[in-house]
Amino acid sequence: AQSVAQPEDQVNVAEGNPLTVKCTYSVSGNPYLFWYVQYPNRGLQFLLKYITGDNLVKGSYGFEAEFNKSQTSFHLKKPSALVSDSALYFCAVSPGSGNTGKLIFGQGTTLQVKP
Amino acid sequence: NAGVMQNPRHLVRRRGQEARLRCSPMKGHSHVYWYRQLPEEGLKFMVYLQKENIIDESGMPKERFSAEFPKEGPSILRIQQVVRGDSAAYFCASSPPGTGITDTQYFGPGTRLTVL
Repeated sequence: AQSVAQPEDQVNVAEGNPLTVKCTYSVSGNPYLFWYVQYPNRGLQFLLKYITGDNLVKGSYGFEAEFNKSQTSFHLKKPSALVSDSALYFCAVSPGSGNTGKLIFGQGTTLQVKP
Repeated sequence: NAGVMQNPRHLVRRRGQEARLRCSPMKGHSHVYWYRQLPEEGLKFMVYLQKENIIDESGMPKERFSAEFPKEGPSILRIQQVVRGDSAAYFCASSPPGTGITDTQYFGPGTRLTVL
């Protein structure tokens, strides 16, 4: 079965420290990977995506993610966290094989950045 | 350039009533996706539509749920005879014409359905 796992329900980090939000996936074919952020009572905002090419992808608000094919991972990172980064983060995959474009989402990780 | 619009933002229905959720995609976008987010869960795909066509409805419950994206006007997600288990946030996303599987989907603010 095709799936996305975010192993941490919550990640706590101090402001100014680096942050990592983990994501692993299991799909057939080439995966197309996405990160979204959701603020309370809001829709999802696109952060970045990996389609092909350089394994390190840079996105909005200073976030980046590294695609690792051997570990089937796509962890989200930021060198220096801000309190305003506190939100719910979703990893998603669009399976490349036989897919019409639907996204499969992980269960989400709450990021809490403390001053 | 307005983003994806959804209305209503909040909808309260009693058991057995009908719920109609509307989604207007971003300008120039012709692909619409509907997702459901149950409390404390991630988003689950429901249906993917293009103008006047349902492309993939593999995530739609077999009964009571239907979706359309007419030539003119917004996409509609319709839930007949709602039950308490339908209470959730329903999100619409749109993407531009293209391959679909690599295009970025842009999400609306969602409609929060509460069934009493």
